[in-house]
Amino acid sequence: NAGVTQTPKFQVLKTGQSMTLQCAQDMNHEYMSWYRQDPGMGLRLIHYSVGAGITDQGEVPNGYNVSRSTTEDFPLRLLSAAPSQTSVYFCASSLLTGVHSPLHFGNGTRLTVT
Amino acid sequence: AQTVTQSQPEMSVQEAETVTLSCTYDTSESDYYLFWYKQPPSRQMILVIRQEAYKQQNATENRFSVNFQKAAKSFSLKISDSQLGDAAMYFCAYRSAEDNNDMRFGAGTRLTVKP
Repeated sequence: NAGVTQTPKFQVLKTGQSMTLQCAQDMNHEYMSWYRQDPGMGLRLIHYSVGAGITDQGEVPNGYNVSRSTTEDFPLRLLSAAPSQTSVYFCASSLLTGVHSPLHFGNGTRLTVT
Repeated sequence: AQTVTQSQPEMSVQEAETVTLSCTYDTSESDYYLFWYKQPPSRQMILVIRQEAYKQQNATENRFSVNFQKAAKSFSLKISDSQLGDAAMYFCAYRSAEDNNDMRFGAGTRLTVKP
């Protein structure tokens, strides 16, 4: 019963490096999203997808890219890491409609950019 | 855009006592969903309780209940018989029924449970 699987759990990058955060879900959810969590600011939406081949920007998309080639996978790419991207990142998924659509979260990735 | 406000950055409660966490939101929509999530030190986000705006009855899940006041745009969480394991960050969240892509979170309330 995996749910949402997010890797890695921790990552340290140097400014300018690139990396991809992986996210996979096995619940056949249409909706997938990436959030970042910063102290005192709650969770803010970076990018989201409502199905394979469809992605869109959230509240704080700058510096991040996403793609959705399959229903299961939704990777987040940092092309040139900056210290401002130091944060905890969460992948989440849900059904698209109805009261039974709370977000199911991965366990998060703590990213530090030096 | 909808906003969610949690005005209590930190709260504390004595074990076995009751505590209420506040949440207000701003929206012009009539249909939406509200959620409370718990984030223990493990960092995992755990759904505590959910409420649909069209339902008058307040949601209850064991020791957790909400006081949903639609006109006041208020959605508080009451934890009864507090346990040490309830210590965590609690996030209030709003999800639009018209635009499911729009889910907003409050800044969170850190709850400490004193033995």
